[in-house]
Amino acid sequence: EIVMTQSPATLSVSPGETATLSCRASQTVGTNLAWYQQRPGQVPRLLIYGASNRAPGVPARFSGSGSGTDFSLTVSNLQSEDLADYYCQQYNDWPPFTFGGGTKVEIK
Amino acid sequence: QVQLVQSGAEVKKPGASVKVSCKVSGYTLTELSIQWVRQAPGKGLEWVGGSDPEDDAPITAQRFQGRVTMTEETSTETAFMELGGLKSDDTAVYFCTTDVHYPVAFDIWGQGTMVIVSS
Repeated sequence: EIVMTQSPATLSVSPGETATLSCRASQTVGTNLAWYQQRPGQVPRLLIYGASNRAPGVPARFSGSGSGTDFSLTVSNLQSEDLADYYCQQYNDWPPFTFGGGTKVEIK
Repeated sequence: QVQLVQSGAEVKKPGASVKVSCKVSGYTLTELSIQWVRQAPGKGLEWVGGSDPEDDAPITAQRFQGRVTMTEETSTETAFMELGGLKSDDTAVYFCTTDVHYPVAFDIWGQGTMVIVSS
């Protein structure tokens, strides 16, 4: 099973600043990685697929990068609506599909 | 436009079973590979099982093997997940989800079904 590890667990960022979230896989997943945003009380929403491709409707200030085992999600010009939990998920090798433990982004 | 609409909240006793439904609209069930993901209160996302996106065979996370059954009713375009031998730590929101536009990235989600296991 591929284990996904996210860091940090919590990130506190001021509005307008940049948040960088990390995700590491226990073995290579190529670029078969997705990022999801889950706002409080809401359903997860696909942000990024293929490690770096934004899903339709996702603002350009969200960007994904990385390949192999190390990935990052960058949120530039942070807005109050970006308060959420963010999860990475690998789909290179299944079953199982595996998610990271999540990073909570707080607004300072 | 694909939509997944799930059944309502359930309260079950330990040892019982629960069956959650996920009705598809906008596509047919045979065109989709439905996955089930759960989220315990205050915790992260955990894949439970679903249909293999490559061949539609049922696939299940090892920790749920023997306890979970996933079925589909094409006449009503509804997928079901039944979890048996419920324990208190099965208390969670259960989501159905699928990959419509991007292979194996889950872009469509149901609204979630809260399952509470309590004596």
